[in-house]
Amino acid sequence: DQQVKQNSPSLSVQEGRISILNCDYTNSMFDYFLWYKKYPAEGPTFLISISSIKDKNEDGRFTVFLNKSAKHLSLHIVPSQPGDSAVYFCAASASNFGNEKLTFGTGTRLTIIP
Amino acid sequence: EPEVTQTPSHQVTQMGQEVILRCVPISNHLYFYWYRQILGQKVEFLVSFYNNEISEKSEIFDDQFSVERPDGSNFTLKIRSTKLEDSAMYFCASSDWASGSPYEQYFGPGTRLTVT
Repeated sequence: DQQVKQNSPSLSVQEGRISILNCDYTNSMFDYFLWYKKYPAEGPTFLISISSIKDKNEDGRFTVFLNKSAKHLSLHIVPSQPGDSAVYFCAASASNFGNEKLTFGTGTRLTIIP
Repeated sequence: EPEVTQTPSHQVTQMGQEVILRCVPISNHLYFYWYRQILGQKVEFLVSFYNNEISEKSEIFDDQFSVERPDGSNFTLKIRSTKLEDSAMYFCASSDWASGSPYEQYFGPGTRLTVT
């Protein structure tokens, strides 16, 4: 049951350059998408989200793009910093009052090279 | 900044024993969740809880699992008779409209459960 897929298990990017993490989904009922960052031995930390009524949301160095027709979203980090090295999870949810459960992807390990 | 806390950080138990994992969600949040992550796998939804009842549970959340909000601050996950395959990192999360969106869930640091 891979409703949310992150096909790149790892990504290495030079410090200062742009990091692009990708995510695909199959369930057309998903209408809210999130990116979480996770360090080892810690819980996922919410980064940024986007509703299906938008195609872009920006917060500082982080921008999420949503292409509904392609069922694809991406997270852009620019400029990339060493502290961005972590595992990034894409997550999705379908509107259901009182139960906004998240379906996660398998994660992409981002390494920023100084 | 308010945060979700979980205790213990690591629990070792023998197969067949009962365990209770504890969470203190962010104080004004109304939606509560448990997720787990088996080593090397993705984070999986277990159960959601709102208005003092279960909203939804996954197929993982069988009769051996239960959740409770015994008072105004704690949220617990009980596994009645643990199995080896219950070994995982268990994350509690909470959310609320007041924080922006109930979808934007805030996770605790997790409890690592090891069943031997």
